[in-house]
Amino acid sequence: AQTVTQSQPEMSVQEAETVTLSCTYDTSENNYYLFWYKQPPSRQMILVIRQEAYKQQNATENRFSVNFQKAAKSFSLKISDSQLGDTAMYFCALGSSYSGAGSYQLTFGKGTKLSVIP
Amino acid sequence: DTEVTQTPKHLVMGMTNKKSLKCEQHMGHRAMYWYKQKAKKPPELMFVYSYEKLSINESVPSRFSPECPNSSLLNLHLHALQPEDSALYLCASSPRLAGGRETQYFGPGTRLLVL
Repeated sequence: AQTVTQSQPEMSVQEAETVTLSCTYDTSENNYYLFWYKQPPSRQMILVIRQEAYKQQNATENRFSVNFQKAAKSFSLKISDSQLGDTAMYFCALGSSYSGAGSYQLTFGKGTKLSVIP
Repeated sequence: DTEVTQTPKHLVMGMTNKKSLKCEQHMGHRAMYWYKQKAKKPPELMFVYSYEKLSINESVPSRFSPECPNSSLLNLHLHALQPEDSALYLCASSPRLAGGRETQYFGPGTRLLVL
C-alpha cells in the first residue's frame, strides 16, 4: 500500500520570504509520480508541480521548486518570494506508474495549511 | 484550456430530495473522476470512468449514482442523502486512466449541504 505523510498541519510565512513544506511517502514501486496540489480557500484544486521518480533533476515551476530525495522518500515543496495568493491548503500526492486496476488512484497526504502574512 | 466546470456551485437539499451534480470538460480527456472532500481533509475517490465506462466504484453507498452520458460530461445523481454526506464534491479529469502518469485536473467543486 502507498502512503503519503505531511507532518506540518499548519504553517505561516511572511510575504516575500521562503517556506518549505515537507512530504514523505512510502511505496514499493521503483517508478512513480509525485504531485503538489494547491487548494485556496473556497477555490479549486490546481496542480502546482509534478515530479517523475525516474528523473533525478528536481522539478521547478517559477517560484515553486521541489527537493526530491528518492532514497529518503522525501518530496518537499519550496515556495520562494511568498505572495498573499499562495495562502492555501497544499496537498502532496503519489501516483502509481502502473495503469492496471487498483493503481489508478492518487494517494493524498492530509495537507498543510499555509498562511502568508502581509 | 485546462478547465473542468461543475454546476451548481452550491446545493442545499433535504434528505428526501433528488438532485444531480454536473461536471464537464472539453479537453478531450477520457478519464473522469468524482471525489468527496470534507473540510480540512484530502479528497476521497468515489468513482472513476474511463471511456464512458465505470472503472472504479470505491464502495460508495447506492444513494450516490454516477452517470457518464458522453466523453465530456459526468453526472452524479443524489437521492435520500444523509447529513453526513454534506461535503465538497470534486470532479476531475485526465487524458487517460493511467495512474500517476496522467495528471488530474480538478473542477471548482459543488458544496453540498444536506439538511
